[in-house]
Amino acid sequence: DGGITQSPKYLFRKEGQNVTLSCEQNLNHDAMYWYRQDPGQGLRLIYYSQIVNDFQKGDIAEGYSVSREKKESFPLTVTSAQKNPTAFYLCASSIVPRLAEPRSYEQYFGPGTRLTVT
Amino acid sequence: AQSVAQPEDQVNVAEGNPLTVKCTYSVSGNPYLFWYVQYPNRGLQFLLKYITGDNLVKGSYGFEAEFNKSQTSFHLKKPSALVSDSALYFCAVRDSSGSARQLTFGSGTQLTVLP
Repeated sequence: DGGITQSPKYLFRKEGQNVTLSCEQNLNHDAMYWYRQDPGQGLRLIYYSQIVNDFQKGDIAEGYSVSREKKESFPLTVTSAQKNPTAFYLCASSIVPRLAEPRSYEQYFGPGTRLTVT
Repeated sequence: AQSVAQPEDQVNVAEGNPLTVKCTYSVSGNPYLFWYVQYPNRGLQFLLKYITGDNLVKGSYGFEAEFNKSQTSFHLKKPSALVSDSALYFCAVRDSSGSARQLTFGSGTQLTVLP
């Protein structure tokens, strides 16, 4: 799991509540990512950020929000608007992806947070 | 657009036998290809990558993968499987042409090595 920490490991919430998942890295990486993992669907990109105070939507951003106030931190908020929030959430980081630098596409993952909403 | 397919949800192999986990891809330009492994309730760990050069890429824990451009495949292999290799394996691709912004992951293949 390298230098990326996610907390908590397990999280339980009632439907209708917002919840924030923590992701911290000490790898000095500029880029950070949030993925959602569901059985049989692989990883789907929620949001990513390549620099502080900037982030972009991924493939399934609806119902989620992020912030990037510090290089080391990229918290994800699962809002009550997310219709099916129960899932395993993975945070990752990398150096900033550049076409001329293929190794920049190698991502380092945290241990994940399993969110259950009832 | 870039995409990656892992046609097998589950692969079972006996310990000591060779294993293969299949991956095919689709990109506009040249591919950057990756394999990751995930143990239960853990994050993904990098195994190996193909960027350019030799078609046979060697990675961690005795794994290797063969890039085949004509078949657009990047199958993961190991000559002799261990029970501890049992895990979920993901293939990922990034198009070098710049048309896509990030990695695209396959749906994963659950490998079970039977003792």
